[in-house]
Amino acid sequence: GAVVSQHPSRVICKSGTSVKIECRSLDFQATTMFWYRQFPKQSLMLMATSNEGSKATYEQGVEKDKFLINHASLTLSTLTVTSAHPEDSSFYICSASLQGMTETQYFGPGTRLLVL
Amino acid sequence: EDKVVQSPLSLVVHEGDTVTLNCSYEVTNFRSLLWYKQEKKAPTFLFMLTSSGIEKKSGRLSSILDKKELFSILNITATQTGDSAVYLCAVEANNDMRFGAGTRLTVKP
Repeated sequence: GAVVSQHPSRVICKSGTSVKIECRSLDFQATTMFWYRQFPKQSLMLMATSNEGSKATYEQGVEKDKFLINHASLTLSTLTVTSAHPEDSSFYICSASLQGMTETQYFGPGTRLLVL
Repeated sequence: EDKVVQSPLSLVVHEGDTVTLNCSYEVTNFRSLLWYKQEKKAPTFLFMLTSSGIEKKSGRLSSILDKKELFSILNITATQTGDSAVYLCAVEANNDMRFGAGTRLTVKP
C-alpha cells in the first residue's frame, strides 16, 4: 500500500514553455502533498506544501507564480513550471501524507525535467 | 516492479544505544542508494552508496551497501535525542528514485 506515482517520469521542453507534473496517491487519500526539488549532491529542497482544497504554502525563495501548485483532490496534486528556463532543469519529487509533515510521507518516483 | 523496503518501521531507544536501520531493494539498473534524515522540512542528505563493501562514515553515523544481497544498513552509535527523526532510504535506478517508507527513530533521554 501507500503508493505515490508521478507523471511524466521524464520531460524535455523548450525554454519558455510550461510543463505540468502530476502527483497521485494511488491507494490512499492524501490530505497533504509536498513538492521537492533535487539539487546537486543529492540534497532535496522543499518547494511547497499543498493541502487539498486550499492554496499551497511556498517555502522562502520559491516563486509561487512560476511554480503553480494545485491540489484539486485528495489523490492528485499538480506542479506547473511556467515559462520554464534551463535553470529549472532538475529532478522534481512529490510526497504525500495523511496528516501533514509529522506523519509518514510516501514519496513518488520523481520527474526529471530538462529545459533546452 | 521496483521496490525499496525499510525495517523496522519504527524504533525507540535510549540515549547511548546503538541502532541499525535496514534497507533492502529490488530495482532494475541500480545506480546508487541514498540515505536521508528527515526531521521537519526537507530530508537531509546523509550518504550515497554505489559500491559494495565500502563503508561511508560521518561522525557517529555509518553506512554500507551489499549489492549482492541487495541491502544497505545505516548504523548510529551512541545515539542522542537529536538523532530522533525519520530515516529514509532511496534507490536511484533507471530514470527515477524509489523511496522506502522510512524508519521513525525515537531516542529517549
